[in-house]
Amino acid sequence: DSGVTQTPKHLITATGQRVTLRCSPRSGDLSVYWYQQSLDQGLQFLIQYYNGEERAKGNILERFSAQQFPDLHSELNLSSLELGDSALYFCASGKISFGANVLTFGAGSRLTVL
Amino acid sequence: AQKITQTQPGMFVQEKEAVTLDCTYDTSDQSYGLFWYKQPSSGEMIFLIYQGSYDEQNATEGRYSLNFQKARKSANLVISASQLGDSAMYFCAMREGTALIFGKGTTLSVSS
Repeated sequence: DSGVTQTPKHLITATGQRVTLRCSPRSGDLSVYWYQQSLDQGLQFLIQYYNGEERAKGNILERFSAQQFPDLHSELNLSSLELGDSALYFCASGKISFGANVLTFGAGSRLTVL
Repeated sequence: AQKITQTQPGMFVQEKEAVTLDCTYDTSDQSYGLFWYKQPSSGEMIFLIYQGSYDEQNATEGRYSLNFQKARKSANLVISASQLGDSAMYFCAMREGTALIFGKGTTLSVSS
């Protein structure tokens, strides 16, 4: 157990729907990162939050949004889902936002869009 | 923009042998960090080893070592005495801003 908790582990939904993925970071970690892993795109950085504030944005689609709450848990919202959004979504957490900041990953949420 | 390249899609090694997984990177920054992660078939991402650009010694963590050649911009992972449990996908990553950017990965298969 890495200490980073992601729910749900698996999610199957239909095109056009909206889903929310949840992440609780490791105790003491202030940074939360979201990544998308698919066969064709590999591991893509989506977005980072640090202590409740958005810190960096990667290849995140406009249909996707995220937030980090005061208790530091984070949610990734995916809307108007398309078949191509099927992927493994990882949340990772870290103590600081720079330097030798090792990211600890959760087990991932596997999204299947039918 | 920074880039990580892993040119070996798949590698095969016998148990107890050493194996080197290649990683080259591209950056114009003077200060940067390089990471290796392992992803077994179960899917989780496991941190293995870190090398800072100013670290004078190559990083080592148990059976893992990082062969860091700054002038060549390479950060190869060396796994000594391979075990069956080392069979997994291995990702090289570099810090870009505050996030980690990953390479495409190398699948390592260890046979008995």
